[in-house]
Amino acid sequence: GENVEQHPSTLSVQEGDSAVIKCTYSDSASNYFPWYKQELGKRPQLIIDIRSNVGEKKDQRIAVTLNKTAKHFSLHITETQPEDSAVYFCAALDTGRRALTFGSGTRLQVQP
Amino acid sequence: NAGVMQNPRHLVRRRGQEARLRCSPMKGHSHVYWYRQLPEEGLKFMVYLQKENIIDESGMPKERFSAEFPKEGPSILRIQQVVRGDSAAYFCASSPAPSSYEQYFGPGTRLTVT
Repeated sequence: GENVEQHPSTLSVQEGDSAVIKCTYSDSASNYFPWYKQELGKRPQLIIDIRSNVGEKKDQRIAVTLNKTAKHFSLHITETQPEDSAVYFCAALDTGRRALTFGSGTRLQVQP
Repeated sequence: NAGVMQNPRHLVRRRGQEARLRCSPMKGHSHVYWYRQLPEEGLKFMVYLQKENIIDESGMPKERFSAEFPKEGPSILRIQQVVRGDSAAYFCASSPAPSSYEQYFGPGTRLTVT
């Protein structure tokens, strides 16, 4: 089955700086890669996703890149704000199971 | 994603009791997924259901756990004879169709076993 590795596990940045979170996956058949933001005690919220036929996708301050050959994808947040502080999870869709396999999460702290 | 409803939000059970967790998908969504999240960990897939069908239960423990999604009413995750290790947040997610990959999560049920 699919295995997703995520790093770093914690990331602290100054307000206004950029943050980058990286994930690798094992199943070359995976073709959908969402990113979720989870605040303490809340539900995971889908913030951006990318499909395997696209190399990059951007939505305002958030962008995701995908390298299918290397089987890794990254989340980029620019001009970080304190409200970006949360745990971010990457995931890959296991096409054989139709279930998302999640990374272990990155706790992002944006210092004002 | 605010449309996925789960109840109860918090559930406390003593060891050996049964826990029933409910999930109502977003309107128009007929696919439900259950995930479990242990403290400080990521989400782990448990089961994928469509109306009246279990499509994939490979992530669910073979004993004590069961799930259903009847023709009418919410999806239910049932845990019999709960143990302390079952304490976790249980999230359900829904999607509209197999061809639509996006999954939207409910607020979760936090189960505490005492």
